[in-house]
Amino acid sequence: ILNVEQSPQSLHVQEGDSTNFTCSFPSSNFYALHWYRWETAKSPEALFVMTLNGDEKKKGRISATLNTKEGYSYLYIKGSQPEDSATYLCATNAGNMLTFGGGTRLMVKP
Amino acid sequence: DSGVTQTPKHLITATGQRVTLRCSPRSGDLSVYWYQQSLDQGLQFLIQYYNGEERAKGNILERFSAQQFPDLHSELNLSSLELGDSALYFCASSVSPGQGSRMNTEAFFGQGTRLTVV
Repeated sequence: ILNVEQSPQSLHVQEGDSTNFTCSFPSSNFYALHWYRWETAKSPEALFVMTLNGDEKKKGRISATLNTKEGYSYLYIKGSQPEDSATYLCATNAGNMLTFGGGTRLMVKP
Repeated sequence: DSGVTQTPKHLITATGQRVTLRCSPRSGDLSVYWYQQSLDQGLQFLIQYYNGEERAKGNILERFSAQQFPDLHSELNLSSLELGDSALYFCASSVSPGQGSRMNTEAFFGQGTRLTVV
């Protein structure tokens, strides 16, 4: 099983702050990179799926970029709101199965 | 609603017992994944099935087993349960087999089964 790593492990920000976090993954045998949002007591929900180097996806205040050559993806949240508080998971299918990172737990203080 | 159904939602059982967790994937999805989330741990991949066949195996203990049936629902069997097996068990489904093809469709997760071993 290949490692997918996310940093930081947790993050506390004030409402209105913009923030970003990183997902690192093996660049060999890459097919796709997924970002999920996981709220407490709910199941993970897909945010983005990216496949091509240089891909950028955006959904409202949340956006993501992908660098497959160096094996990383960034997730950005602009103007964080308390409702953005969740764990953000990335996953890649390097190794022929969907492998998740440990997640970044984001807490937005009002 | 993701379309993935897991039963039961909660399960409390004693050490040494055996339980079966059930997952019904989204209509049309052929691939089923099982994950375990223990206290303070991220999602740990257990096993993947595609159209009834095992496709990939992760950190699944020998005491655990799974299968996918012809109607595509899947069951995760946990036996000789230990206190450390207490966790949230998620099932996810997707269309793509995730092997030898461009897996660019996301996985949809069920609500999970919370297992407590006492």
